[in-house]
Amino acid sequence: KNEVEQSPQNLTAQEGEFITINCSYSVGISALHWLQQHPGGGIVSLFMLSSGKKKHGRLIATINIQEKHSSLHITASHPRDSAVYICAVQETSGSRLTFGEGTQLTVNP
Amino acid sequence: DAGVTQSPTHLIKTRGQHVTLRCSPISGHKSVSWYQQVLGQGPQFIFQYYEKEERGRGNFPDRFSARQFPNYSSELNVNALLLGDSALYLCASSLDPGTFPLLAKNIQYFGAGTRLSVL
Repeated sequence: KNEVEQSPQNLTAQEGEFITINCSYSVGISALHWLQQHPGGGIVSLFMLSSGKKKHGRLIATINIQEKHSSLHITASHPRDSAVYICAVQETSGSRLTFGEGTQLTVNP
Repeated sequence: DAGVTQSPTHLIKTRGQHVTLRCSPISGHKSVSWYQQVLGQGPQFIFQYYEKEERGRGNFPDRFSARQFPNYSSELNVNALLLGDSALYLCASSLDPGTFPLLAKNIQYFGAGTRLSVL
């Protein structure tokens, strides 16, 4: 069983839809990261969370430490949001990141 | 400001060869981490270096090695390449390797990666 599990693996949406990607983890963490990876591989850090909720533009990330669960929401989705979204946790024992398998999001016009 | 830079961007090697990948961290960052991402999977941790010393190592064979230079740039070396080493190799830098409680300076910034194909 992976320490970090994401769902769904693949997600197709129509432009304008509200999107939710979920992440569950089984280890103690000091922080959780949401990352975006575009074709070609470059990774962009979207959020780092240790509690509560963060918002940046149309992106919202929440984390529930007790339930070991985080969600990434995209409001008013757009085709340029199409990418792989990766959840990664930073364990309390150090700064190494453990990654989920990623969610492939495709937003159609 | 330049972000994390990796070179080369693409590389093709044959089985048995060795390869050296390079990473320059963001100016002022002293910690560099290396990750391997096989197609269709999430990245896997290989190494972390801080102040030229190895701070962490993932579950990779001894064919994989790395080092960090006085200017905090880093090299990842892979010997006796196998077909299964074909992957995207990502480098990430941070101000320091991370302490608890987590501070903003522990955020890792990623390079665009080096895509290695082993034929």
